[in-house]
Amino acid sequence: EPEVTQTPSHQVTQMGQEVILRCVPISNHLYFYWYRQILGQKVEFLVSFYNNEISEKSEIFDDQFSVERPDGSNFTLKIRSTKLEDSAMYFCASSTSRDRGYEQYFGPGTRLTVT
Amino acid sequence: RKEVEQDPGPFNVPEGATVAFNCTYSNSASQSFFWYRQDCRKEPKLLMSVYSSGNEDGRFTAQLNRASQYISLLIRDSKLSDSATYLCVVRTASKLTFGTGTRLQVTL
Repeated sequence: EPEVTQTPSHQVTQMGQEVILRCVPISNHLYFYWYRQILGQKVEFLVSFYNNEISEKSEIFDDQFSVERPDGSNFTLKIRSTKLEDSAMYFCASSTSRDRGYEQYFGPGTRLTVT
Repeated sequence: RKEVEQDPGPFNVPEGATVAFNCTYSNSASQSFFWYRQDCRKEPKLLMSVYSSGNEDGRFTAQLNRASQYISLLIRDSKLSDSATYLCVVRTASKLTFGTGTRLQVTL
């Protein structure tokens, strides 16, 4: 069964450093997403991406965040200057189309720890 | 009012029991509805989409009432492996909005 993959599984970084989180969505999917989950809290939407541009973003997704699809398979989330409050689990997701109501399938996540 | 509201539980039930979870959502423009399950420190996994006509997948039955903005999930014949957090999720445009989840613990 095809699945979304993410690397690394755990990233530790110092405050102010840049991090890039990587995702490989399911191969025939066209829509890509990033979510985050702070420990003990609910999953929160960050951004959606389709046809090489951002479709929608939340208030969390400020100028410190950017997304890119650098090639035909990878989808990345960059945080330019990490803050302590960026510590969270970051999930990538993908979906195929409006068929089946845009069912989104999630990767295993990258745990980001900012020290 | 929270965008998606769920009873956090925990619901502790014996194996074989039937358990029901409810959820309400505030945005009447929401377009699609789902139940996901999440195991501790893992990713949300899609359990089922929810339709107004009601839908069933094995032991799981989901129902949507758009007028009341209410979603439900019924689990019959609970198994130990059903122990997890069940997330009520609504889609508006491309964004999924999650509830905080209802914790289910199935015991022997």
